Amino acid sequence: EAGVAQSPRYKIIEKRQSVAFWCNPISGHATLYWYQQILGQGPKLLIQFQNNGVVDDSQLPKDRFSAERLKGVDSTLKIQPAKLEDSAVYLCASSSQGPQYFGPGTRLTVT
Amino acid sequence: GQNIDQPTEMTATEGAIVQINCTYQTSGFNGLFWYQQHAGEAPTFLSYNVLDGLEEKGRFSSFLSRSKGYSYLLLKELQMKDSASYLCAVRSSGNTPLVFGKGTRLSVIA
Repeated sequence: EAGVAQSPRYKIIEKRQSVAFWCNPISGHATLYWYQQILGQGPKLLIQFQNNGVVDDSQLPKDRFSAERLKGVDSTLKIQPAKLEDSAVYLCASSSQGPQYFGPGTRLTVT
Repeated sequence: GQNIDQPTEMTATEGAIVQINCTYQTSGFNGLFWYQQHAGEAPTFLSYNVLDGLEEKGRFSSFLSRSKGYSYLLLKELQMKDSASYLCAVRSSGNTPLVFGKGTRLSVIA
């Protein structure tokens, strides 16, 4: 069974630029999550989707971050404009009923 | 609010046993998860407890006491490849997102 796929793996941008990340969850997993993980910290939830609907986006900085999951499968997370403090690893995870399974993450560096 | 505490760092010797503790305070409880994360990699699922007691999976075991808001991960016969961060996470209800602790960085030395 294929795992969660993410791209790109690494991205370096300048502050005020925009960036987008892509995630393809495990086949059949209805729930998809985007987490932000800053070095030395645990992952922090940004947004949760159930199929193509948003369940929880309370911690998403909506002035600069947006996410969508239009067909209930793939998802994209966008940051526009990026700030220095957005430098982190962005992890996508999916689940059915049990544990969440994580993708390899995208390491974003904002200079 | 939700609070999950675990030690920041631990060091143990190859071949030994190490116990990583986790205490939590959450508004609800529907499972406690342990993940392993090697540097630069994604977290990988290790174990899941929803009822009190010990769950054993090979060299790894996880224990839960819901009344005490306490869990531990026990690693036996430590190997150098076990050097990683170990993340404790709690799900408060249904399929809600996991809330993670900051992780415990374990260093296994010869």
